Amino acid sequence: ETGVTQTPRHLVMGMTNKKSLKCEQHLGHNAMYWYKQSAKKPLELMFVYNFKEQTENNSVPSRFSPECPNSSHLFLHLHTLQPEDSALYLCASSQEAPPLAGGRYERYFGPGTRLTVT
Amino acid sequence: AQKITQTQPGMFVQEKEAVTLDCTYDTSDQSYGLFWYKQPSSGEMIFLIYQGSYDEQNATEGRYSLNFQKARKSANLVISASQLGDSAMYFCAMSSGNTPLVFGKGTRLSVIA
Repeated sequence: ETGVTQTPRHLVMGMTNKKSLKCEQHLGHNAMYWYKQSAKKPLELMFVYNFKEQTENNSVPSRFSPECPNSSHLFLHLHTLQPEDSALYLCASSQEAPPLAGGRYERYFGPGTRLTVT
Repeated sequence: AQKITQTQPGMFVQEKEAVTLDCTYDTSDQSYGLFWYKQPSSGEMIFLIYQGSYDEQNATEGRYSLNFQKARKSANLVISASQLGDSAMYFCAMSSGNTPLVFGKGTRLSVIA
């Protein structure tokens, strides 16, 4: 399998549930990202991992907890979410992060997990 | 702070015609990169084209070209010979310095047969 894969593709959870999103990249990249895409808003960066170390936490609430056990896998653990957390959660990878000034470190994105919090 | 502005929420184009999607950016950095991504209804973001701030030539990738006007801080995407499969959301993005990739709000392109 190639590229960036995400599971599950769709998830419905109650506010008291605990669930995890999984991302796997088969590109040999060293950086992985979680983005949140809400309706009518720009893509929001949540977390960045570079060589398994978290390098960016973009003021994300603690109910979202990332985990990066190795350069190929990234998880987003969810607990006690709110309805406003319903969104498309996209995982991405790139060769490295942060990019060199103006460097071409394009992100390769997965298909996303459509999350609905009820 | 870096900012990307896409002023066209939606665009229509006839099949086989060319279309230009606008993107302006704001940064105080001299070295930066500009990207365009396509997001079909399936949700995946697909990288299309990249332009470095020091690149003298406008980037081209197949039917995609980037009209880079540095003085005007614009990086418009031109799609030639539109196809029905080009219908999607298109996002302009920028990276500079150590800041993460910043995305615009996107433009929804609809190709009409």
